[in-house]
Amino acid sequence: ETGVTQSPTHLIKTRGQQVTLRCSSQSGHNTVSWYQQALGQGPQFIFQYYREEENGRGNFPPRFSGLQFPNYSSELNVNALELDDSALYLCASRIGGAATEAFFGQGTRLTVV
Amino acid sequence: GEDVEQSLFLSVREGDSSVINCTYTDSSSTYLYWYKQEPGAGLQLLTYIFSNMDMKQDQRLTVLLNKKDKHLSLRIADTQTGDSAIYFCAESIGDDKIIFGKGTRLHILP
Repeated sequence: ETGVTQSPTHLIKTRGQQVTLRCSSQSGHNTVSWYQQALGQGPQFIFQYYREEENGRGNFPPRFSGLQFPNYSSELNVNALELDDSALYLCASRIGGAATEAFFGQGTRLTVV
Repeated sequence: GEDVEQSLFLSVREGDSSVINCTYTDSSSTYLYWYKQEPGAGLQLLTYIFSNMDMKQDQRLTVLLNKKDKHLSLRIADTQTGDSAIYFCAESIGDDKIIFGKGTRLHILP
């Protein structure tokens, strides 16, 4: 149990739709990162938020966007869903902006049909 | 570039030691991690090592880091059926992202 919770656990969407995934960070953790894990692959970094500001982004298009709230919970939004967006989406929380231990949630399995 | 490479499969007999190897490319990494992922589950942080250390031991787990060769290994002593999972090697890059390998699937033979 890492203290990082994600919702929903599973989701099915249609191509072209929009989706919002949610993450509640471990208590005291002010940094949250989102990762996409396609089947059979390692997680790929999408972006990171530190104190409500995006402070790092991977090679993902602008239709992937996020928010971090004052209580450090976070959302990942994906617009205009494509079939290749089907994956496990993982959120990780840690303390501070420097690299430290990152604790992951159980993930949201998104299927785009 | 940023890349983490690890072998995809490893089979080990129950009770033997498992050694999972990994190479990485970014010499500026501050932390190197081993994560475990069981079927249908998220990532569990097993252990990590600071880049200025050579070795870290934690119960059945031993991590060895060769910074010159950019080689990281995870040894699991007395491998049990519950160790069956996918193990990800990862390195931290800067203040934000963690770069993961594709994972090594550890299969335990009876």
